[in-house]
Amino acid sequence: DAGVIQSPRHEVTEMGQEVTLRCKPISGHNSLFWYRQTMMRGLELLIYFNNNVPIDDSGMPEDRFSAKMPNASFSTLKIQPSEPRDSAVYFCASSFTEETQYFGPGTRLLVL
Amino acid sequence: KQEVTQIPAALSVPEGENLVLNCSFTDSAIYNLQWFRQDPGKGLTSLLLIQSSQREQTSGRLNASLDKSSGRSTLYIAASQPGDSATYLCAVTKTASKLTFGTGTRLQVTL
Repeated sequence: DAGVIQSPRHEVTEMGQEVTLRCKPISGHNSLFWYRQTMMRGLELLIYFNNNVPIDDSGMPEDRFSAKMPNASFSTLKIQPSEPRDSAVYFCASSFTEETQYFGPGTRLLVL
Repeated sequence: KQEVTQIPAALSVPEGENLVLNCSFTDSAIYNLQWFRQDPGKGLTSLLLIQSSQREQTSGRLNASLDKSSGRSTLYIAASQPGDSATYLCAVTKTASKLTFGTGTRLQVTL
């Protein structure tokens, strides 16, 4: 298996632009997680899905952030409009039920 | 709110030494605890997962222990190697799946 796939790996954009991050979980996994990592706050859970349904989005910082999982093999995290403080590494992870989470390589986002 | 702290924040040891990384959490009502490794510019790799009913888990040169009542876990690395250099993160779950991460320990193993 190729593991969790994220795209793009790097994104540089200007403030106010829309940013879409993509994730393909490991086949057969039924849970998907979006995390954000910054120097100041460490790793934080933004949202997680179980069987394509959002279960907990309490970590989503504000309405500018939205996430979707239209099917078991694809999820997006969208930021609109983006701000410089959104600059971070965004990780996607997947798991089967309550077992170990497998992380993707991350998307490094820089908002100028 | 669960808070997870890791001490020390950074550690440098010569190759071959045994070492211990510490993790503490404020809410002992956890579901499980995991140790991860993160290499610079990379994602996280799961090392060990300890269920709340377990006391320890071992994988190769790694041994993780869990004392739920005191809110502590340790990761023991035997005979450290330069390839062990990375940031080590512990994470706990209260409800199934929702991980709360610690602050991390950056380990450097020197030749």
